Amino acid sequence: DTAVSQTPKYLVTQMGNDKSIKCEQNLGHDTMYWYKQDSKKFLKIMFSYNNKELIINETVPNRFSPKSPDKAHLNLHINSLELGDSAVYFCASSLGGTSGGETQYFGPGTRLLVL
Amino acid sequence: GENVEQHPSTLSVQEGDSAVIKCTYSDSASNYFPWYKQELGKRPQLIIDIRSNVGEKKDQRIAVTLNKTAKHFSLHITETQPEDSAVYFCAAPGSSSASKIIFGSGTRLSIRP
Repeated sequence: DTAVSQTPKYLVTQMGNDKSIKCEQNLGHDTMYWYKQDSKKFLKIMFSYNNKELIINETVPNRFSPKSPDKAHLNLHINSLELGDSAVYFCASSLGGTSGGETQYFGPGTRLLVL
Repeated sequence: GENVEQHPSTLSVQEGDSAVIKCTYSDSASNYFPWYKQELGKRPQLIIDIRSNVGEKKDQRIAVTLNKTAKHFSLHITETQPEDSAVYFCAAPGSSSASKIIFGSGTRLSIRP
């Protein structure tokens, strides 16, 4: 039984399209994250939610909009896709304590290719 | 500011030899330092972590050392095996949020047979 799951696993689309990636965790965690991993393998945080509330919002184009309907789900919607959006997008979750220093559990990743 | 630097970016070692990856961080208040391993095409997974109240932690063939004065920490893998081939990321907390961690740029470790 998967702890952090993402759909779809692969996404190939044309420039200008709008697409969504879904993430679900069954660990009972309060905090969820979206990361972008580019072709050079840099892992960069994009957003984080704690119990449905946005707590981290890095410098990300506003074409990217996260949504957390409940604390077990964090979805990512991307409008007007551009070539530079091609990357692997990882969802992750952690317990959500305030002291920091928690293990993050990653989903399998969504490989997005914009043509 | 928030910054984690990781070296080297690539590392090739003979099977059975040791590998060492080093990271430095900028925020002196940082208190948690995890290491993640990412195999090809897979997700990053935690392999070991250390908190600022200890200087070293060991788990079988892997160990992490922390020097708070110099603000650097290192991953040591002994008796390397082919399955150790992967990209390794160090990380440290971001100063702007307790939940945020900043990842290093990664080290691609290759084990030569």
